Amino acid sequence: QLQLQESGPGLVKPSETLSLTCTVSGGSVSSSSYYWGWIRQPPGEGLEWIGSIYYTGNTFYNPSLKSRITISVDTSKNQFSLRLSSVTAADTAVYYCAREVSSEGGMDVWGQGTTVIVSS
Amino acid sequence: QSVLTQPPSASGTPGQRVTISCSGSRSNIGSNAGNWYQQLPGTGPKLLIYSNNQRPSGVPDRFSGSKSGTSASLAISGLQSEDEADYYCAAWDDSLNGWVFGGGTKLTVL
Repeated sequence: QLQLQESGPGLVKPSETLSLTCTVSGGSVSSSSYYWGWIRQPPGEGLEWIGSIYYTGNTFYNPSLKSRITISVDTSKNQFSLRLSSVTAADTAVYYCAREVSSEGGMDVWGQGTTVIVSS
Repeated sequence: QSVLTQPPSASGTPGQRVTISCSGSRSNIGSNAGNWYQQLPGTGPKLLIYSNNQRPSGVPDRFSGSKSGTSASLAISGLQSEDEADYYCAAWDDSLNGWVFGGGTKLTVL
């Protein structure tokens, strides 16, 4: 059974870079059938797609965050990662990683989420 | 402001049927499938409906989805207390080249 697990610091200082990793178990990030994505949810708010990556490294980024985002994949570790630079309090959120089946199939497997607080 | 528009709240009594709407545009729901996610209190989202009207394994057939033009809908029949959750619609947007979500609908079972 496929499982995704987010990891990374729970507290990041303003202006610094947020770095999170999603570890895939029970499946392969190198599968040609899926993209792998990051989604976040600020406290008390809705879901916001951050970006997605294919095992080849092809990426799609949310235009509103594109200048600050880097998503990468490490097939040897079966992981993919998110870096968000120049963070502010507005980046405080629960960050989820998910497997994307396709535009038709949606995001069918999600990690449990990790809370990141931006504060000095 | 979310790209997809949902009502912020909905409610019903046990056994009732409720529907939640999701309004988009030609570049998202009008061109691609609508998907629905259920987020129970304190948990992460779970795929509820994909490809407009398909249920993943394990999702009760009380949940159904439909699409017409640039709008999608989620219907829940035989409402149960455990259906109390936030529901989000989503679709791929060809103009943004990314996923867009609705703002979410909080369903209350009275």
